[in-house]
Amino acid sequence: AQKVTQAQTEISVVEKEDVTLDCVYETRDTTYYLFWYKQPPSGELVFLIRRNSFDEQNEISGRYSWNFQKSTSSFNFTITASQVVDSAVYFCALSLYNTDKLIFGTGTRLQVFP
Amino acid sequence: NAGVTQTPKFQVLKTGQSMTLQCAQDMNHEYMSWYRQDPGMGLRLIHYSVGAGITDQGEVPNGYNVSRSTTEDFPLRLLSAAPSQTSVYFCASSYSHSLVMNTEAFFGQGTRLTVV
Repeated sequence: AQKVTQAQTEISVVEKEDVTLDCVYETRDTTYYLFWYKQPPSGELVFLIRRNSFDEQNEISGRYSWNFQKSTSSFNFTITASQVVDSAVYFCALSLYNTDKLIFGTGTRLQVFP
Repeated sequence: NAGVTQTPKFQVLKTGQSMTLQCAQDMNHEYMSWYRQDPGMGLRLIHYSVGAGITDQGEVPNGYNVSRSTTEDFPLRLLSAAPSQTSVYFCASSYSHSLVMNTEAFFGQGTRLTVV
């Protein structure tokens, strides 16, 4: 069975702090895809990143970076120099090859205080 | 492009009533799906469709029906609403092609449903 675990329910930081959101996944498939979505207080879901299981390179996009480690089945997300606008619920998700069905974690609520 | 449009945004139903949540996308995506979001449980897949005329059950299909008569529309029907169906519902679509798999999903704004 496939599963995504986001053990951190809620994280609070002060602006400009770095913060890492953890994501651990379970699957026996060798080909799969991992995603991060952001849900700001307005409620919509915003796509952040997609990574396939054969690409373990870390990725950086501005203040955001992602660390994918197959050895530990983790796909962690780091926000550098956090800002109040980063306050949101962040979801990690998994999909298996050739199916667009997303298996979501329970989400991590990030609060960034000024 | 409007993307994925869901209506209504808010709805209150009485137990036993039926209703249809509408979802339309204008991106010519083959794959569409419905999720429900409950506190502490993330999003769970209700039903999905890989193209017009094809639908299948997700993780939590009981109490819901879907149909896909066109590529653009994917309505979700609640047959007899129950308080346990109080939730936020999201419709999503994604581009699936033999050469490009597992692309990112585009989500609608959500429908907040309360069943009393």
